[in-house]
Order: sequence, then structure tokens, then C-alpha cells
Amino acid sequence: GEDVEQSLFLSVREGDSSVINCTYTDSSSTYLYWYKQEPGAGLQLLTYIFSNMDMKQDQRLTVLLNKKDKHLSLRIADTQTGDSAIYFCAESISDRGGGADGLTFGKGTHLIIQP
Amino acid sequence: NAGVTQTPKFQVLKTGQSMTLQCAQDMNHEYMSWYRQDPGMGLRLIHYSVGAGITDQGEVPNGYNVSRSTTEDFPLRLLSAAPSQTSVYFCASSRTSGNNEQFFGPGTRLTVL
Repeated sequence: GEDVEQSLFLSVREGDSSVINCTYTDSSSTYLYWYKQEPGAGLQLLTYIFSNMDMKQDQRLTVLLNKKDKHLSLRIADTQTGDSAIYFCAESISDRGGGADGLTFGKGTHLIIQP
Repeated sequence: NAGVTQTPKFQVLKTGQSMTLQCAQDMNHEYMSWYRQDPGMGLRLIHYSVGAGITDQGEVPNGYNVSRSTTEDFPLRLLSAAPSQTSVYFCASSRTSGNNEQFFGPGTRLTVL
């Protein structure tokens, strides 16, 4: 079955790096995603990684994928107050374009920034 | 492009009432989905559609109906609302190929008394 697990809270100091972790159980996952949700808003795609990759970097964001351990992480360098949000890990096991049968989401990690 | 739009933003219903949550996208996306978000539960898929005229059930379909008569619109119907359907509902759409990015609407906050 599909299950995506994340810790519920992460607290970091402004300027430090944040590392949000996620584990998943379905080894047939094709794409793995990180979404950001600010209070009262919808979900915004931050980045994604295809399952045959092990790392992807995009400005302050670094995604690491360990397929053997089914572990995904999102590192945010130089964390700012604007990074305060809920971060969702999600997987798609569909090999059809567009994730047609939807994504399986984790419960979300609340990132709290301390001044 | 307006992206994915949802109406209404907020709604309060009494148990047993019916209503339709509207979702529209102007990106010519084939795929559309409805999720509900509950505290501590993440997002769960209710129904999805791979194109006009085609719909299928997700993880939590009971109590909800959908239809997809056009590419642009994907309404979600609650035929007889129950307090357990109090939630925030998100509509999403995505292309037919590529990195599978789903674009989300701003959400509808529904309370059933």
C-alpha cells in the first residue's frame, strides 16, 4: 500500500539550514514532490524529483532521494521567515503523465522559524 | 491565465443540505482532481478525471459525486452533507505528460453543522 510519513514539526533559527525528511513505502513511485502551503493558501509546487535521480538542486533547495531506503529530504539553505509554512511530501505512482490518479501526500511538516 | 479557480471560498451548510463546489481551469489541462485536507491528515484524493467524460474514485469518494462535461470544469457535489465532510477542499489540475506538476486552486473551506 501507499504511505508517506513526515514529522509534524521542525523548528530552525533564521539563517540556518532546514532539512525536512519524508519516507514512503511504494517502491514503484515514479515522481516525488515537495509542496509548500502558506496559511490560508493552496499548495504550491516547490520542486520534484524523478525516481531515477538521487539529487536535485534548485537555488536554495536541495532534494535528496535514497531509493534503497525510500527516503526523501528537502534542504532549505539560509532559511528565512518567508519559508515558514507547511511542507508536504507527495508521491505519484502513475506512469501516466500528469499524475492522473492523484498524488499520495504526507501529513505535512510545519516549519517554524526562530529569530 | 487565471490558473485553477474555486468557488465559493467559504461555505456553511446544515446536515442534509446539498451543494456543489465549483472548480475551473484555463490551462487546457486534461487531468483534474479533488482533494480534502483535514488537520493532521494531509490531503486525501476524493475523485479524479483524466479527461472530459471520464471520472474515477480516489481514496475517500463516499458522499461525493463528480462529473466532467468539459475540459475546463470539474464540479464536486455533496448530495446530503454530513458533519464529517467539514474540511478544506482543493481542486487540482495537471498536464497529460511531463513532470506531473499538479496546480492547486486556493481551496474551499466547508463547515457542516
